[in-house]
Amino acid sequence: GQNIDQPTEMTATEGAIVQINCTYQTSGFNGLFWYQQHAGEAPTFLSYNVLDGLEEKGRFSSFLSRSKGYSYLLLKELQMKDSASYLCAAGSIYYGNNRLAFGKGNQVVVIP
Amino acid sequence: DAGVTQSPTHLIKTRGQQVTLRCSPKSGHDTVSWYQQALGQGPQFIFQYYEEEERQRGNFPDRFSGHQFPNYSSELNVNALLLGDSALYLCASSLGTSAHNEQFFGPGTRLTVL
Repeated sequence: GQNIDQPTEMTATEGAIVQINCTYQTSGFNGLFWYQQHAGEAPTFLSYNVLDGLEEKGRFSSFLSRSKGYSYLLLKELQMKDSASYLCAAGSIYYGNNRLAFGKGNQVVVIP
Repeated sequence: DAGVTQSPTHLIKTRGQQVTLRCSPKSGHDTVSWYQQALGQGPQFIFQYYEEEERQRGNFPDRFSGHQFPNYSSELNVNALLLGDSALYLCASSLGTSAHNEQFFGPGTRLTVL
């Protein structure tokens, strides 16, 4: 089975750093995706981790620990446009390729 | 380069009716997946189409059916609509079915069932 857990909401100040956590229990786990979704819009891809460690992409970094079933997304130098829901999603070889199990999303609100 | 497009953007139906939603994948993509996203929830996988066949299916009843056409576009059909079917329906496309291939999402169709 698959179970993806994320905290629901956090507020942070412009210019700050936030860390969004995601824990998962996924049989046959084969990768963890992070998506950003602004209200009323489609999710957009941020990062993909399949091996343990940190992947850095500009202001966004994502970390994965397969042994702990844990990932986080780090947002640095927060900007107002970063106010959005951040979704983590796990893939599994048992549920077929390219079929993602999403968490509920973490709503980040950036304030001046 | 056109991204994933969906139509219509909004739709209002009443209980018991039937609805068809449409999706055109990103140029060059051949795989289409459909997701249902209820308010305040993450997207839930409905099914995936590749080579005009349903390849994977999530925990959705048979009222949910789909189709993929030779040009890779896809339709999602929902019969006997229930109030609980009100949601944002997202289409995602990718090249192939590998889990490592990024999925690109369309803007979604907002379905309201009254």
